[in-house]
Amino acid sequence: EAGVTQSPTHLIKTRGQQVTLRCSPISGHTSVYWYQQALGLGLQFLLWYDEGEERNRGNFPPRFSGRQFPNYSSELNVNALELEDSALYLCASKTGATNEKLFFGSGTQLSVL
Amino acid sequence: RKEVEQDPGPFNVPEGATVAFNCTYSNSASQSFFWYRQDCRKEPKLLMSVYSSGNEDGRFTAQLNRASQYISLLIRDSKLSDSATYLCVGASSNTGKLIFGQGTTLQVKP
Repeated sequence: EAGVTQSPTHLIKTRGQQVTLRCSPISGHTSVYWYQQALGLGLQFLLWYDEGEERNRGNFPPRFSGRQFPNYSSELNVNALELEDSALYLCASKTGATNEKLFFGSGTQLSVL
Repeated sequence: RKEVEQDPGPFNVPEGATVAFNCTYSNSASQSFFWYRQDCRKEPKLLMSVYSSGNEDGRFTAQLNRASQYISLLIRDSKLSDSATYLCVGASSNTGKLIFGQGTTLQVKP
């Protein structure tokens, strides 16, 4: 069975550009979480989608947005890129049940120059 | 105060040592807890779930203390391959967010 898949694996952008990252959850998983991990730092919660709806978001500016599609895949959009947006962006999925664990994709490494 | 806090370490221990990590959480509504392992610039992988009754998996033991709001991870007979960053995660029942601690780095030396 396929795990969580993310694309692209690496991306280089310049300041002010826009980027879209993609995530396909494990089959049967309806919840998708996005995290940002800057170099040497912990995982910062970005967004949580479940059943097509945004359920919660972390302390990030509005230029970070996303959506979840009917097939439960998800996109993360970042507008007006800044240098400090350079990070590993991790997507994770789980079933909708409260106590279920997260499974992560291998991430998208974004570099903003 | 962060919702989930860990001592970042690093913890440098010799092979065969026993090492313990603690993680404190501030949101008493947090219901579920997990330990993840993350190797350098890779995705986190689930190590084990944490239950109030304690949970053991081989050399690894996890414990939850709700009264003091902390979870722990004990690694016995450390191996070189245990070198990694260990992340604790708390899941809030009222917000649904899964919040990670900043991770504790373990270096096991020969």
